Amino acid sequence: DIQMTQSPSSVSASVGDRVTITCRASQRISSGLGWYQQKPGKAPELLIYAASSLQSGVPSRFSGSGSGTDFTLTISSLQPEDFATYYCQQANSFPWTFGQGTKVEIK
Amino acid sequence: QLQLQESGPGLVKPSETLSLTCTVSGGSISSNSYSWGWIRQPPGKDLEWIGNIFYNGRTHYNPSLKSRVTMSLDTSKNQFSLKLSFVTAADTAVYYCARVGETLLVEWLDPWGQGTLVTISS
Repeated sequence: DIQMTQSPSSVSASVGDRVTITCRASQRISSGLGWYQQKPGKAPELLIYAASSLQSGVPSRFSGSGSGTDFTLTISSLQPEDFATYYCQQANSFPWTFGQGTKVEIK
Repeated sequence: QLQLQESGPGLVKPSETLSLTCTVSGGSISSNSYSWGWIRQPPGKDLEWIGNIFYNGRTHYNPSLKSRVTMSLDTSKNQFSLKLSFVTAADTAVYYCARVGETLLVEWLDPWGQGTLVTISS
């Protein structure tokens, strides 16, 4: 199985801050990566697919980059509604696997 | 707007079979543009992909669960289902269903159902 490792596991930030989350795959996955946001008690929501494509309806402050083994999710200016847990997920090969999550908390 | 809703027992006894249904509204599960997936999340833990089922019934299962998992489609009801046999406490989780789409040869999960908590306990 492909292991997905996110860092950091948590980050404290203020409204307006730029936040960067990284995700590393244990083997090359081309651009087969998605980013999901999950709020407490809610289902995950797709933010980014194919490593850098913004899902329809997602604010443009979210962006993704990377290919191969190293990927990044950036929130350019953190908003109050962005405090949540973020997961990366590889869809390059079965079984699909998720990272362990990064919790973005209020500073 | 496509919506998915999981349903099924919230409590299952150990060694029995967990059975869940996902009802899709606002779109057809028979579309060859999409497949359908199940994902679970134990309380306070990470997400685990269980498997996908394609419009033609072909499946991909997580090898860690493959011997116990069965997925199926009911196109007459626009539903797809999950069965997990011989459950233990380790199968206690929130179970989500989701649509699987594909763009640029890359698949993604969107939207998701709200999730349903299944507890394994006697």
